[in-house]
Amino acid sequence: IAGITQAPTSQILAAGRRMTLRCTQDMRHNAMYWYRQDLGLGLRLIHYSNTAGTTGKGEVPDGYSVSRANTDDFPLTLASAVPSQTSVYFCASSVDRGGGYTFGSGTRLTVV
Amino acid sequence: QKEVEQNSGPLSVPEGAIASLNCTYSDRGSQSFFWYRQYSGKSPELIMFIYSNGDKEDGRFTAQLNKASQYVSLLIRDSQPSDSATYLCAVSNGNQFYFGTGTSLTVIP
Repeated sequence: IAGITQAPTSQILAAGRRMTLRCTQDMRHNAMYWYRQDLGLGLRLIHYSNTAGTTGKGEVPDGYSVSRANTDDFPLTLASAVPSQTSVYFCASSVDRGGGYTFGSGTRLTVV
Repeated sequence: QKEVEQNSGPLSVPEGAIASLNCTYSDRGSQSFFWYRQYSGKSPELIMFIYSNGDKEDGRFTAQLNKASQYVSLLIRDSQPSDSATYLCAVSNGNQFYFGTGTSLTVIP
Protein backbone atom coordinates (compact mmCIF):
# COMPACT_ATOMS: atom_id res chain seq x y z
CA ILE A 1 0.00 0.00 0.00
CA ALA A 2 1.48 3.32 -1.12
CA GLY A 3 2.09 5.82 1.62
CA ILE A 4 4.30 6.70 4.55
CA THR A 5 5.27 4.36 7.34
CA GLN A 6 6.44 5.68 10.68
CA ALA A 7 7.94 3.70 13.53
CA PRO A 8 7.54 3.33 16.39
CA THR A 9 3.88 4.18 16.92
CA SER A 10 4.61 5.32 20.45
CA GLN A 11 7.57 5.39 22.79
CA ILE A 12 8.36 6.32 26.36
CA LEU A 13 11.95 7.50 26.58
CA ALA A 14 14.16 8.41 29.52
CA ALA A 15 15.62 11.89 29.41
CA GLY A 16 19.16 11.95 28.05
CA ARG A 17 18.66 8.90 25.84
CA ARG A 18 19.19 8.92 22.09
CA MET A 19 16.24 8.02 19.87
CA THR A 20 15.66 7.70 16.14
CA LEU A 21 12.19 7.97 14.67
CA ARG A 22 11.90 6.17 11.37
CA CYS A 23 10.02 7.32 8.28
CA THR A 24 9.77 5.53 4.95
CA GLN A 25 7.71 6.45 1.90
CA ASP A 26 7.09 4.45 -1.27
CA MET A 27 5.54 7.17 -3.42
CA ARG A 28 8.87 8.39 -4.85
CA HIS A 29 8.13 11.85 -3.48
CA ASN A 30 11.05 14.25 -3.68
CA ALA A 31 10.33 16.28 -0.55
CA MET A 32 10.00 14.99 3.00
CA TYR A 33 9.33 16.71 6.29
CA TRP A 34 9.25 16.20 10.03
CA TYR A 35 6.68 18.06 12.12
CA ARG A 36 5.81 18.04 15.76
CA GLN A 37 2.27 18.74 16.89
CA ASP A 38 1.54 20.14 20.32
CA LEU A 39 -1.80 21.20 21.75
CA GLY A 40 -2.45 24.87 21.03
CA LEU A 41 0.67 25.24 18.89
CA GLY A 42 -0.36 23.29 15.83
CA LEU A 43 2.10 21.70 13.45
CA ARG A 44 5.64 23.04 13.61
CA LEU A 45 8.29 22.12 11.06
CA ILE A 46 11.44 20.58 12.52
CA HIS A 47 13.49 19.68 9.43
CA TYR A 48 12.83 19.14 5.77
CA SER A 49 14.47 17.66 2.71
CA ASN A 50 13.73 18.90 -0.80
CA THR A 51 15.46 15.93 -2.41
CA ALA A 52 17.72 13.02 -1.52
CA GLY A 53 21.06 14.23 -0.21
CA THR A 54 19.83 17.61 1.00
CA THR A 55 18.26 18.73 4.27
CA GLY A 56 17.21 22.02 5.82
CA LYS A 57 16.15 23.43 9.17
CA GLY A 58 12.59 24.31 9.93
CA GLU A 59 11.01 26.39 12.67
CA VAL A 60 12.10 24.27 15.67
CA PRO A 61 15.27 22.32 14.72
CA ASP A 62 17.20 22.48 18.01
CA GLY A 63 17.85 19.08 19.55
CA TYR A 64 16.97 17.22 16.36
CA SER A 65 18.93 16.01 13.35
CA VAL A 66 17.94 14.32 10.09
CA SER A 67 19.55 12.62 7.13
CA ARG A 68 18.32 11.79 3.63
CA ALA A 69 20.56 9.14 2.17
CA ASN A 70 17.97 8.03 -0.38
CA THR A 71 14.53 9.03 -1.69
CA ASP A 72 12.53 6.75 0.57
CA ASP A 73 13.93 7.20 4.07
CA PHE A 74 14.05 10.25 6.30
CA PRO A 75 14.93 9.39 9.91
CA LEU A 76 14.72 11.93 12.73
CA THR A 77 17.21 11.63 15.60
CA LEU A 78 16.99 13.09 19.07
CA ALA A 79 20.59 13.07 20.31
CA SER A 80 19.78 13.55 24.00
CA ALA A 81 16.05 13.66 24.69
CA VAL A 82 14.53 16.26 27.01
CA PRO A 83 11.00 16.40 28.45
CA SER A 84 10.10 19.38 26.20
CA GLN A 85 10.43 17.02 23.24
CA THR A 86 7.36 15.15 24.42
CA SER A 87 5.04 15.48 21.44
CA VAL A 88 3.40 13.76 18.52
CA TYR A 89 5.76 13.59 15.56
CA PHE A 90 4.52 13.42 12.00
CA CYS A 91 6.54 12.61 8.94
CA ALA A 92 5.15 13.90 5.65
CA SER A 93 6.08 13.92 1.99
CA SER A 94 5.12 15.75 -1.17
CA VAL A 95 5.96 15.42 -4.85
CA ASP A 96 7.93 18.65 -4.56
CA ARG A 97 8.30 21.43 -2.03
CA GLY A 98 5.14 23.44 -1.86
CA GLY A 99 2.85 20.64 -2.96
CA GLY A 100 0.14 18.91 -0.96
CA TYR A 101 1.42 16.68 1.81
CA THR A 102 0.78 13.05 2.61
CA PHE A 103 1.26 12.36 6.32
CA GLY A 104 2.39 9.28 8.16
CA SER A 105 0.36 7.97 11.06
CA GLY A 106 2.57 9.65 13.65
CA THR A 107 4.79 8.73 16.58
CA ARG A 108 3.68 9.66 20.08
CA LEU A 109 6.84 10.29 22.11
CA THR A 110 6.93 10.83 25.85
CA VAL A 111 10.22 11.87 27.45
CA VAL A 112 10.33 11.32 31.20
CA GLN B 1 1.44 37.96 12.91
CA LYS B 2 1.08 34.31 12.01
CA GLU B 3 1.33 33.28 8.38
CA VAL B 4 -2.01 31.48 8.53
CA GLU B 5 -4.81 32.35 10.93
CA GLN B 6 -7.82 30.22 11.79
CA ASN B 7 -10.49 30.57 14.43
CA SER B 8 -9.73 27.72 16.82
CA GLY B 9 -13.42 27.21 17.59
CA PRO B 10 -14.95 25.02 18.70
CA LEU B 11 -17.56 25.35 15.97
CA SER B 12 -20.76 23.42 16.52
CA VAL B 13 -23.41 22.85 13.84
CA PRO B 14 -26.47 20.60 13.79
CA GLU B 15 -26.53 17.59 11.51
CA GLY B 16 -27.58 18.54 7.99
CA ALA B 17 -26.48 22.17 8.30
CA ILE B 18 -23.70 23.94 6.42
CA ALA B 19 -20.42 24.27 8.29
CA SER B 20 -18.26 27.23 7.28
CA LEU B 21 -14.57 27.23 8.14
CA ASN B 22 -12.42 30.27 7.49
CA CYS B 23 -8.74 31.00 7.07
CA THR B 24 -6.69 34.11 6.33
CA TYR B 25 -3.07 34.26 5.25
CA SER B 26 -0.44 36.97 5.20
CA ASP B 27 1.85 36.10 2.26
CA ARG B 28 0.53 37.68 -0.95
CA GLY B 29 2.86 35.40 -2.90
CA SER B 30 0.89 32.33 -1.79
CA GLN B 31 0.00 30.10 -4.69
CA SER B 32 -1.60 26.94 -3.35
CA PHE B 33 -4.15 26.42 -0.64
CA PHE B 34 -5.10 23.23 1.13
CA TRP B 35 -7.59 21.94 3.65
CA TYR B 36 -6.72 18.99 5.87
CA ARG B 37 -9.03 17.07 8.17
CA GLN B 38 -7.60 15.59 11.35
CA TYR B 39 -9.58 13.23 13.53
CA SER B 40 -8.59 13.03 17.18
CA GLY B 41 -5.49 10.91 17.59
CA LYS B 42 -4.98 10.56 13.83
CA SER B 43 -2.81 12.21 11.22
CA PRO B 44 -3.97 15.05 8.94
CA GLU B 45 -5.64 13.98 5.72
CA LEU B 46 -5.80 16.17 2.62
CA ILE B 47 -9.42 16.78 1.60
CA MET B 48 -9.32 19.81 -0.71
CA PHE B 49 -6.87 22.01 -2.56
CA ILE B 50 -7.42 25.14 -4.62
CA TYR B 51 -5.10 27.27 -6.72
CA SER B 52 -7.36 29.81 -8.48
CA ASN B 53 -9.77 32.44 -7.27
CA GLY B 54 -13.33 31.26 -6.97
CA ASP B 55 -14.99 28.07 -5.85
CA LYS B 56 -13.98 24.45 -6.16
CA GLU B 57 -16.50 21.76 -5.33
CA ASP B 58 -15.90 18.12 -4.44
CA GLY B 59 -18.95 16.28 -3.21
CA ARG B 60 -20.21 17.95 -0.03
CA PHE B 61 -17.08 20.10 0.22
CA THR B 62 -16.52 23.49 -1.42
CA ALA B 63 -13.29 25.45 -1.13
CA GLN B 64 -13.46 29.18 -1.78
CA LEU B 65 -10.46 31.38 -2.51
CA ASN B 66 -10.21 35.16 -2.64
CA LYS B 67 -6.59 36.19 -3.19
CA ALA B 68 -7.35 39.91 -3.07
CA SER B 69 -8.72 39.51 0.45
CA GLN B 70 -6.18 36.78 1.31
CA TYR B 71 -8.99 34.57 2.44
CA VAL B 72 -9.77 30.91 1.91
CA SER B 73 -12.75 29.02 3.26
CA LEU B 74 -14.17 25.52 3.37
CA LEU B 75 -17.91 24.85 3.27
CA ILE B 76 -19.27 21.48 4.28
CA ARG B 77 -22.86 20.93 3.14
CA ASP B 78 -25.22 18.46 4.79
CA SER B 79 -22.85 18.11 7.73
CA GLN B 80 -22.62 14.66 9.28
CA PRO B 81 -21.42 13.57 12.72
CA SER B 82 -18.52 11.88 10.92
CA ASP B 83 -17.35 15.36 9.84
CA SER B 84 -16.53 16.14 13.48
CA ALA B 85 -12.78 16.77 13.43
CA THR B 86 -10.18 19.51 13.41
CA TYR B 87 -9.72 21.22 10.04
CA LEU B 88 -6.31 22.60 9.18
CA CYS B 89 -5.78 25.30 6.59
CA ALA B 90 -2.41 25.23 4.80
CA VAL B 91 -0.86 27.71 2.41
CA SER B 92 2.15 27.39 0.13
CA ASN B 93 4.13 30.02 -1.77
CA GLY B 94 5.91 27.30 -3.73
CA ASN B 95 8.82 27.18 -1.33
CA GLN B 96 7.40 27.46 2.16
CA PHE B 97 4.38 25.62 3.49
CA TYR B 98 2.44 27.05 6.44
CA PHE B 99 -0.27 25.44 8.55
CA GLY B 100 -2.90 27.13 10.64
CA THR B 101 -3.54 25.78 14.12
CA GLY B 102 -6.88 24.35 13.06
CA THR B 103 -10.60 24.80 13.74
CA SER B 104 -12.40 22.17 15.79
CA LEU B 105 -15.78 21.23 14.28
CA THR B 106 -18.48 19.29 16.09
CA VAL B 107 -21.58 18.15 14.21
CA ILE B 108 -24.43 17.53 16.63
CA PRO B 109 -26.82 14.68 15.72
